[in-house]
Amino acid sequence: GDSVTQMEGPVTLSEEAFLTINCTYTATGYPSLFWYVQYPGEGLQLLLKATKADDKGSNKGFEATYRKETTSFHLEKGSVQVSDSAVYFCALIRGSTLGRLYFGRGTQLTVWP
Amino acid sequence: DTGVSQDPRHKITKRGQNVTFRCDPISEHNRLYWYRQTLGQGPEFLTYFQNEAQLEKSRLLSDRFSAERPKGSFSTLEIQRTEQGDSAMYLCASSFDRAETQYFGPGTRLLVL
Repeated sequence: GDSVTQMEGPVTLSEEAFLTINCTYTATGYPSLFWYVQYPGEGLQLLLKATKADDKGSNKGFEATYRKETTSFHLEKGSVQVSDSAVYFCALIRGSTLGRLYFGRGTQLTVWP
Repeated sequence: DTGVSQDPRHKITKRGQNVTFRCDPISEHNRLYWYRQTLGQGPEFLTYFQNEAQLEKSRLLSDRFSAERPKGSFSTLEIQRTEQGDSAMYLCASSFDRAETQYFGPGTRLLVL
């Protein structure tokens, strides 16, 4: 069945460090891919998305490229800030049905000043 | 646009009691989703509605769980005879019909003692 695998956390970085959070997926057909972020005490917020192979989603300095050949959608940011501390979730939705989202387990990121 | 709202935000109950949660979606959205998130895990799909119709239910949704969306606007999720294993964050999301992006509410945190 459809599934998402994320690198395990927690990830701890110093401010201005480079961030990569790995995400790979298994899906039938042509899914759309997402990164959601959950700040402490808040609900999930969409960070970025990509709907087809080779698309790059970007927002707030974060980027992820939909790689069909490696079934991956890794999240990157060139210079993290303390305010980026949160839990990041990779997710997919089947393009054919657009029903449920399938989420990874989440990666906790902590950025120190 | 006031976003997705959920009520209550927190609920503590004793094992065996019934609880009911409410979700108000973004007003133009005709799809509404319920997910459950346990500590350290990503959200897991429970069920979703298109207008009043419940289109899909997960196997996670046991007989003790029931969801309704009687007028195609707000939805309720009821858990009967709660068990300690029901302790989790219950998330609601909404979207336009056939749209990929789901917008999440802040969640209802349930603790069963």
